[in-house]
Amino acid sequence: NAGVMQNPRHLVRRRGQEARLRCSPMKGHSHVYWYRQLPEEGLKFMVYLQKENIIDESGMPKERFSAEFPKEGPSILRIQQVVRGDSAAYFCASSPLPQGKTEAFFGQGTRLTVV
Amino acid sequence: DQQVKQNSPSLSVQEGRISILNCDYTNSMFDYFLWYKKYPAEGPTFLISISSIKDKNEDGRFTVFLNKSAKHLSLHIVPSQPGDSAVYFCAAATDSWGKFQFGAGTQVVVTP
Repeated sequence: NAGVMQNPRHLVRRRGQEARLRCSPMKGHSHVYWYRQLPEEGLKFMVYLQKENIIDESGMPKERFSAEFPKEGPSILRIQQVVRGDSAAYFCASSPLPQGKTEAFFGQGTRLTVV
Repeated sequence: DQQVKQNSPSLSVQEGRISILNCDYTNSMFDYFLWYKKYPAEGPTFLISISSIKDKNEDGRFTVFLNKSAKHLSLHIVPSQPGDSAVYFCAAATDSWGKFQFGAGTQVVVTP
């Protein structure tokens, strides 16, 4: 059973470009979460999704950021018109139940660098 | 609003000794707590969890203690090994929230 797969591992974008981060949850996991870790900080919740539904996006910036978890395929975190402050490690986690009931398993992360 | 706090950014401990990591929280609604370990350039790895109906959970060298009245939990690692050198994150959740709140992490260095 493969773990949570994120790609790419590293992504470099110029200011103003779009960044697309992909996450394939563990088999059998229908709950997907995105977290962001800025340098020297802990992980900050961004968004919680189940198949085709956004359950909680209270941690998402109001503009430029969006997420989806379609019926088929991976979850996508999209950042439009990236700025230097978007440079961070973005981690995806999945779990078979909501995170308040069980642990979640994290991917290796995507390190986004905006130049 | 930082609801989960790890006030010690770093901890150095000798190999074979006990490592004690502390975590405080402010939200009395939290009822599920976890510890994650993270190596550089990798994702967090789940270590151990505890629900609010317990005050202790043990798994091998790792024990988590929960003091609900003090809103405090701790992770004990005994004996500490060089491979334990990593950043440890405390996390908390409520049954109804469906998401974790993480502390800022504690960097543990185990010296020979």
